[in-house]
Amino acid sequence: LAKTTQPISMDSYEGQEVNITCSHNNIATNDYITWYQQFPSQGPRFIIQGYKTKVTNEVASLFIPADRKSSTLSLPRVSLSDTAVYYCLVGISTDTGRRALTFGSGTRLQVQP
Amino acid sequence: DSGVTQTPKHLITATGQRVTLRCSPRSGDLSVYWYQQSLDQGLQFLIQYYNGEERAKGNILERFSAQQFPDLHSELNLSSLELGDSALYFCASSVDQSGGNYGYTFGSGTRLTVV
Repeated sequence: LAKTTQPISMDSYEGQEVNITCSHNNIATNDYITWYQQFPSQGPRFIIQGYKTKVTNEVASLFIPADRKSSTLSLPRVSLSDTAVYYCLVGISTDTGRRALTFGSGTRLQVQP
Repeated sequence: DSGVTQTPKHLITATGQRVTLRCSPRSGDLSVYWYQQSLDQGLQFLIQYYNGEERAKGNILERFSAQQFPDLHSELNLSSLELGDSALYFCASSVDQSGGNYGYTFGSGTRLTVV
């Protein structure tokens, strides 16, 4: 069964860099990899998106290897307000040939002072 | 405001009943997606529509159905409700089917409580 996996939780301190990796072995050929941030009882919020290699915006970087079977979200110099759950989202090719949008299980990031 | 509007924000109903959740996508977006998030759980993909047609299906129960109308708004119908259906239901929209062009924009969700 195609799966998208992430670490369940991570701890960090303010000012540190945090890297969260998502494995997506069966990513569909034309699909982008998108990362979201979610606070309790709120909808996921877009962080960054990429197709291959490296993408950087004002809040994060996304590293995607050539085979696209994984991706790493990098948050530079985290702050307390970055405490949240982080999800990767990809389209996965299923056994039936259809494409299933699949969120990773989510990584709960706790930033300490 | 993300531009994706979901109504109602909260819904409390009894077991066995039927409810309809509504979603208006962001202006210009043709794809609508529905997700279910149970308490302290991840996001489970239910179904996707693109310009009125079903495009992808996830773990959606047979008691659940959805449609996308010509004006592109979408409705998720949940019937014969059970206690386990209590969850946050999110709608998301995107310009195309692959999630490109800055991915999917999520609404603030509908919290369904079945008692």
